[in-house]
Amino acid sequence: GQQLNQSPQSMFIQEGEDVSMNCTSSSIFNTWLWYKQDPGEGPVLLIALYKAGELTSNGRLTAQFGITRKDSFLNISASIPSDVGIYFCAGQLRGSQGNLIFGKGTKLSVKP
Amino acid sequence: NAGVMQNPRHLVRRRGQEARLRCSPMKGHSHVYWYRQLPEEGLKFMVYLQKENIIDESGMPKERFSAEFPKEGPSILRIQQVVRGDSAAYFCASSPQGPTLGSNQPQHFGDGTRLSIL
Repeated sequence: GQQLNQSPQSMFIQEGEDVSMNCTSSSIFNTWLWYKQDPGEGPVLLIALYKAGELTSNGRLTAQFGITRKDSFLNISASIPSDVGIYFCAGQLRGSQGNLIFGKGTKLSVKP
Repeated sequence: NAGVMQNPRHLVRRRGQEARLRCSPMKGHSHVYWYRQLPEEGLKFMVYLQKENIIDESGMPKERFSAEFPKEGPSILRIQQVVRGDSAAYFCASSPQGPTLGSNQPQHFGDGTRLSIL
């Protein structure tokens, strides 16, 4: 099936540092979404991207829809302890019925 | 709470029993999606429904699994004759409309049902 390659798989950072993670695919996507999932809960939508080249911010989070439509990145600036969790990229393939394809997640741990 | 509501949060079944998972979408949302998540993995699409219609069931196993979204009431994911491999977290998401190019219709998720098979 279709795959999204999300990296890094996990990362440890110092509080206050900036974080960057990305997703790539060999397929073209119409939509890129970034979610955060805490243990025992469902994914919470952080940022939604709908146009190639689009750059969108949500507080300390910034995400971009790659110009080739095959990739996206998420940046978190000045990380804080509550940023801990698993971040997932998800994309909707061009021509699909609406189902999302998810990356395997980036597990973020912050050293206090 | 106006979010996507799933119940039960935890469900334990013995092999061979039936599991019924319920999902009430956000108010005003008429499109429902079911996903499955194994530990340390991302979510995998199963089925996409609109009221009284299955739009895409390409991710759902052909046997033992079924889904419905009736005119009244929640969407139901039903697993018959459960096996150990069905143990997973099952998430439901909803959106106001179906996907159209460039439309702002992101999927919002519930907190899932964790299914354990003994």
